[in-house]
Amino acid sequence: GDSVTQMEGPVTLSEEAFLTINCTYTATGYPSLFWYVQYPGEGLQLLLKATKADDKGSNKGFEATYRKETTSFHLEKGSVQVSDSAVYFCALSDPGDTNAGKSTFGDGTTLTVKP
Amino acid sequence: DAGITQSPRYKITETGRQVTLMCHQTWSHSYMFWYRQDLGHGLRLIYYSAAADITDKGEVPDGYVVSRSKTENFPLTLESATRSQTSVYFCASSEQGVGGELFFGEGSRLTVL
Repeated sequence: GDSVTQMEGPVTLSEEAFLTINCTYTATGYPSLFWYVQYPGEGLQLLLKATKADDKGSNKGFEATYRKETTSFHLEKGSVQVSDSAVYFCALSDPGDTNAGKSTFGDGTTLTVKP
Repeated sequence: DAGITQSPRYKITETGRQVTLMCHQTWSHSYMFWYRQDLGHGLRLIYYSAAADITDKGEVPDGYVVSRSKTENFPLTLESATRSQTSVYFCASSEQGVGGELFFGEGSRLTVL
């Protein structure tokens, strides 16, 4: 079945540091890829997405590029802020899945940014 | 207000009791989902629904029951709660199936004593 593997956390960075959170996936079909963010006490919300190979999703200074050859979708940000402290989830939606329509999530990576 | 709302936000119950978590969305999205979030497991799909009166099992359906008589509501029932069902439960909806963005509720934190 489909799976998403994320870099283990927690990750602690100083403000203005560079962020990378690795994400790789396995899928039956040609999936769409997502990054969701969960702020403390809240539900998840979409951060960015990409639907085909070499697409780059971007939002709020975060970027991720759909790499089909390496089955990866790593999240990056050039300069993190304290307000970026949250849990980040990589996810996929696979048309080849027998339960097409659902999304599969990674375990989440907790990011803490210190002033 | 438009959106997706879950109730109750917090619930403490005892082993063996029946518990229902409610989920309501105002967008008329076709797809609705229930996930549970546990440390070390990320989000795991319990049940999902592609439309009213259509539901299907996800990854961890045992011990749970769902119904979808109306498009906007998707309640999740724990028929006889167990301690292993202590978790945070998230309801989500999506306008489309594959490739669609999920919109999440704020979660329901359930503790089973």
